[in-house]
Amino acid sequence: GAVVSQHPSWVICKSGTSVKIECRSLDFQATTMFWYRQFPKQSLMLMATSNEGSKATYEQGVEKDKFLINHASLTLSTLTVTSAHPEDSSFYICSAPSGASTDTQYFGPGTRLTVL
Amino acid sequence: GQQVMQIPQYQHVQEGEDFTTYCNSSTTLSNIQWYKQRPGGHPVFLIQLVKSGEVKKQKRLTFQFGEAKKNSSLHITATQTTDVGTYFCCRWVFSGGYNKLIFGAGTRLAVHP
Repeated sequence: GAVVSQHPSWVICKSGTSVKIECRSLDFQATTMFWYRQFPKQSLMLMATSNEGSKATYEQGVEKDKFLINHASLTLSTLTVTSAHPEDSSFYICSAPSGASTDTQYFGPGTRLTVL
Repeated sequence: GQQVMQIPQYQHVQEGEDFTTYCNSSTTLSNIQWYKQRPGGHPVFLIQLVKSGEVKKQKRLTFQFGEAKKNSSLHITATQTTDVGTYFCCRWVFSGGYNKLIFGAGTRLAVHP
């Protein structure tokens, strides 16, 4: 099946710093990628839709200035958590469809962010 | 809202027992997808159901889509410890010009040997 990678797999940072998370589709192109956040023992909550060549679409309640998304190419989307605070500590997961937008979603392995 | 309701939130079974999780929506669904997330892992696609009344099987897993396309279920026969994880039903929502995959709350399955 299609492979999506994420880097880094985990990161620990100090409060106030920015963290960049990369999501790559390794063997297919993705004009759209999705970013989710998952708190412990909770479901995945969609944060934003990353669109190659245009601005990301953010879900209600997600601060676009805090969670910067850049879809630099057909295989790469990045999420930057700016001025991170402890409440931003979470598991961030990206996904991409291998074909049509409602096809199977392939998820990256996730990035565990801990903000001290 | 957009999210599908999923029950139970948590199920604890003995190995060999059966397990079922249910998904319900107040609106008709065009399709529904099921994913499994192992502890510490990421969601992995299991299946997509599209047709009214559809039933699909994958070894010990049986997936059903209701006749009215408002509910779905996942049944595991004779659970094994490898079945441990959280099972999510998900729906596609078209909003803001894009299709978005929205996750249900999930059912966390614990299997004791």
